[in-house]
Amino acid sequence: ETGVTQSPTHLIKTRGQQVTLRCSSQSGHNTVSWYQQALGQGPQFIFQYYREEENGRGNFPPRFSGLQFPNYSSELNVNALELDDSALYLCASSFGPGGNQETQYFGPGTRLLVL
Amino acid sequence: AQSVTQLGSHVSVSEGALVLLRCNYSSSVPPYLFWYVQYPNQGLQLLLKYTSAATLVKGINGFEAEFKKSETSFHLTKPSAHMSDAAEYFCAVSGNSGYSTLTFGKGTMLLVSP
Repeated sequence: ETGVTQSPTHLIKTRGQQVTLRCSSQSGHNTVSWYQQALGQGPQFIFQYYREEENGRGNFPPRFSGLQFPNYSSELNVNALELDDSALYLCASSFGPGGNQETQYFGPGTRLLVL
Repeated sequence: AQSVTQLGSHVSVSEGALVLLRCNYSSSVPPYLFWYVQYPNQGLQLLLKYTSAATLVKGINGFEAEFKKSETSFHLTKPSAHMSDAAEYFCAVSGNSGYSTLTFGKGTMLLVSP
């Protein structure tokens, strides 16, 4: 069984640029959630994708967008990068979107630095 | 709305001592509660979860947590700390939204000294 994988592991961008982060879900999982973890903070929910559609969104501006593909992998896109976007971005997969007892399995994260 | 408060950003124990990491939650509906561990430069690993089946939940690596509704708490314990337990621990709550989002606390760094 393959776990959740993310790429790249590290990324450096400059303010105003755009970035795309990628996530492959765990085998058998059809739901992907993205979280932002700023330094010294707990992860914050960005949005969730279920069967290729956005299924829920946290308090993040529209310049944070995503996609889910038929194989349930996912992308997180951030436009017009700001310094505060520097963080660890975590992807989590689960089987099913609702059922709030559903366990989410996390990938190792992508560390983004915006200069 | 849901929230999680973890008391103490850092907790220091000696190897072999009791580990107690505190978590209090706020939820307008019966919560599902989780503890995750994060080792340096890694993602989050599930330690245990409470889903109303039993108030005392046993997890991996000898950790357990007890759900106390009257105290709105879900503290994490381990009888005897090991050096390998040094990591950051996050408590999280999941509510009754139509999607399985997690609301995390700010985390507690566990330091284990020999």
